[in-house]
Amino acid sequence: DTGVSQDPRHKITKRGQNVTFRCDPISEHNRLYWYRQTLGQGPEFLTYFQNEAQLEKSRLLSDRFSAERPKGSFSTLEIQRTEQGDSAMYLCASSLPGQGGSYEQYFGPGTRLTVT
Amino acid sequence: LAKTTQPISMDSYEGQEVNITCSHNNIATNDYITWYQQFPSQGPRFIIQGYKTKVTNEVASLFIPADRKSSTLSLPRVSLSDTAVYYCLVGGSGNTPLVFGKGTRLSVIA
Repeated sequence: DTGVSQDPRHKITKRGQNVTFRCDPISEHNRLYWYRQTLGQGPEFLTYFQNEAQLEKSRLLSDRFSAERPKGSFSTLEIQRTEQGDSAMYLCASSLPGQGGSYEQYFGPGTRLTVT
Repeated sequence: LAKTTQPISMDSYEGQEVNITCSHNNIATNDYITWYQQFPSQGPRFIIQGYKTKVTNEVASLFIPADRKSSTLSLPRVSLSDTAVYYCLVGGSGNTPLVFGKGTRLSVIA
């Protein structure tokens, strides 16, 4: 399978614990994005990378959230001191470099986080 | 990015054509119109993109009037497997982060 993969698919954690999610993009894609989606809402942008450089972070990304993309390949998203409000689906997407009119991002299946 | 407005939900019977209209009154000159589809517990999937007039692919057609202030996604002969949420997005090129609204929840009934 050459699509975007995410691990784990589901994570249940207790409030206050740290969690880390992994995303493996499509191999030739140099852009990688993280989104968060809560029930009944569309995905919300969190942050994105071009190769290993983190180019933009949303205001949603509090200081408890950190993302990395070492060597421009896979990426990790860590949430420290989780709160119940962090419960959501965390989606990763990747794309090729920007082209005129090209807006196609390829999404992974997501990691569903439940904070109890 | 331009804000979009689309119906919250729609119902259709199998075999019918479904048209979902999206309003984007503040669309900018360099903005494209893109539609994504999302099934439960999956990430969104690109369906179609256009700038003006009509675009057709193997899945859908996209109609964009001359003023580009709205667009219509047309799904021919829907089946139960087309039950999903459909998102309309507008934005420029360069693969910048996507801005999703709440989408339209399409339910196809047998």
